[in-house]
Amino acid sequence: NAGVTQTPKFRILKIGQSMTLQCAQDMNHNYMYWYRQDPGMGLKLIYYSVGAGITDKGEVPNGYNVSRSTTEDFPLRLELAAPSQTSVYFCASSPISVGTNYGYTFGSGTRLTVV
Amino acid sequence: AQKITQTQPGMFVQEKEAVTLDCTYDTSDPSYGLFWYKQPSSGEMIFLIYQGSYDQQNATEGRYSLNFQKARKSANLVISASQLGDSAMYFCAMREGRDNYGQNFVFGPGTRLSVLP
Repeated sequence: NAGVTQTPKFRILKIGQSMTLQCAQDMNHNYMYWYRQDPGMGLKLIYYSVGAGITDKGEVPNGYNVSRSTTEDFPLRLELAAPSQTSVYFCASSPISVGTNYGYTFGSGTRLTVV
Repeated sequence: AQKITQTQPGMFVQEKEAVTLDCTYDTSDPSYGLFWYKQPSSGEMIFLIYQGSYDQQNATEGRYSLNFQKARKSANLVISASQLGDSAMYFCAMREGRDNYGQNFVFGPGTRLSVLP
């Protein structure tokens, strides 16, 4: 079982460049999420999705875009990268769960540096 | 307002001793879930333990137990017999309501645990 796969693991971007962080899950989870984790901090929600074709903004969506064309894939697009976007990005997924003990399954993270 | 508070930015514990990591939460929803995750230096997020708001007993998973005090809105993680491999960041998280969806799931700022040999 691959779980949640994120690529790339590391990336250095120049200010103003764009890139897409890839995320794929093979667990048939309906819900997918993108978080960022700044140094020494907790996770902040960027965008999330309940299923193909449906996305919503989280706490810190500015400077990012997402799409969800399939259940498996949830790419995160950075347009016009800025130093403030230097962070570790985590993709996560979960099934629709009602009152269960199912938390999130996380990818291994993408460490992004904008210089 | 912070929904999850972890007041200990860093903790030290001697190997083989027990340690308690604090977590308090704020919600008006009667149905919620509390989670603890471990993030070692390699960066991945590892699910440790879960407590539901209606669970009568404290959750346990191996060396991990959750000291759930509902009236005080606290969900402290207890690690018994600490090992060097327990050195990591630990995050408390809460799901409000019965659905995992979106912003219903929030994380605390984390506590860095260092286990001393």
